[in-house]
Amino acid sequence: GIQVEQSPPDLILQEGANSTLRCNFSDSVNNLQWFHQNPWGQLINLFYIPSGTKQNGRLSATTVATERYSLLYISSSQTTDSGVYFCASEDIFGTGTRLKVLA
Amino acid sequence: GAVVSQHPSRVICKSGTSVKIECRSLDFQATTMFWYRQFPKQSLMLMATSNEGSKATYEQGVEKDKFLINHASLTLSTLTVTSAHPEDSSFYICSASRTETYGYTFGSGTRLTVV
Repeated sequence: GIQVEQSPPDLILQEGANSTLRCNFSDSVNNLQWFHQNPWGQLINLFYIPSGTKQNGRLSATTVATERYSLLYISSSQTTDSGVYFCASEDIFGTGTRLKVLA
Repeated sequence: GAVVSQHPSRVICKSGTSVKIECRSLDFQATTMFWYRQFPKQSLMLMATSNEGSKATYEQGVEKDKFLINHASLTLSTLTVTSAHPEDSSFYICSASRTETYGYTFGSGTRLTVV
């Protein structure tokens, strides 16, 4: 089956900093999504992005399907951005990036 | 819109008992619901996919007789952990797929502790 790897596994930022999270997949994917899991476990769908670039406020995502990767950009990070970020292709979730934003 | 309600949020049960977790789509019809399990500091692992009115499809390695899934209507799916053991302690999350748009909506999760 498809393998979905994310990097970095852990990330600590100072509030206001920018970051880039990466998602690599082992095979072609038709559907790719990014999720944020807050410290209480709730999962929020951030982007459905099988290809191209999308932006939503301080977040943006880019998927280059031909090169089998996707990037999530977080600008001007806030403490509320803390949590785990997952990318997923269909029902397969990546390994996650655990982000902690310090005040 | 697109709200999925999951109950209970936390449950502690004795070893050997059964626990039922409910997942409801409140404002849309979910033809497909998914159940995931998450161990501490690990990713979500798909357990099973349930379609309304039919038997659930379980992922390899998931015991269907232990994790009973019922999807009786377009708005309700239940996961029953039967004869629970401490190793079943985990965070269980459901999600629902809308029919008219792609994307998953997740419940808030259930933290199960078996003592």
